[in-house]
Amino acid sequence: QVQLVQSGPEVKKPGSSVKVSCKASGANFKRHAISWVRQAPGQGLEWMGGIIPIFGAPNYGQKFLGRVTISTDESTSTAYMELSSLRSEDTAMYYCARVNDTVILTGYYSTWGQGTLVTVSS
Amino acid sequence: DIVMTQSPDSLAVSLGERATINCKSSQSLLYSSNTNNHLAWYQQKPGQPPKLLIYWASTRESGVPDRFRGSGSGTDFTLTISSVQAEDVAIYYCQHYYNTPPAFGQGTRVEIK
Repeated sequence: QVQLVQSGPEVKKPGSSVKVSCKASGANFKRHAISWVRQAPGQGLEWMGGIIPIFGAPNYGQKFLGRVTISTDESTSTAYMELSSLRSEDTAMYYCARVNDTVILTGYYSTWGQGTLVTVSS
Repeated sequence: DIVMTQSPDSLAVSLGERATINCKSSQSLLYSSNTNNHLAWYQQKPGQPPKLLIYWASTRESGVPDRFRGSGSGTDFTLTISSVQAEDVAIYYCQHYYNTPPAFGQGTRVEIK
């Protein structure tokens, strides 16, 4: 059974950066896309971007272009999401999620991480 | 980009009654090459990540009770909970995965009357 385990909560100052990790257990890490989805307090779900580890080229949502970097480390089956130039509006729960089907960037998500709360406050 | 719109934003139903949630996409989610609708439904309870209920618009995920049913095609989809239980109190989201970027509806909160 695949599991995604994310890094712990973060508190950041405005203007700084945060890097969240998502470690996958189980087989086939390279062939399943990992997406990052965020949820501001009391709000809905917003896709930030995704990556298929075996191909390595991330795809980002328009809203986050220039501020987000998604990467993977195949040796540890870990995906990363780094968000820079943080502002208060970036305070949210950040989830990683695995696309169920292989070698496609966009799909439905059968496995989610537990979420990482990022708080941006001066 | 495809926009997903759910209705209603919230609904209150009595235990054992039916709940119906609608989801409309700004363009068809039906892929001609595989005749599948690229639409999923999720349930999210407080403090938890979303949980997959339905994919390909009508295929129930393993372990999901059969009171949850997905239907629809093209641009109009429905999630029906045939007999609402107390544990179904949650927010429900539809999501398209027809192309990039994927997108979610704004969510529908289901409460017990």
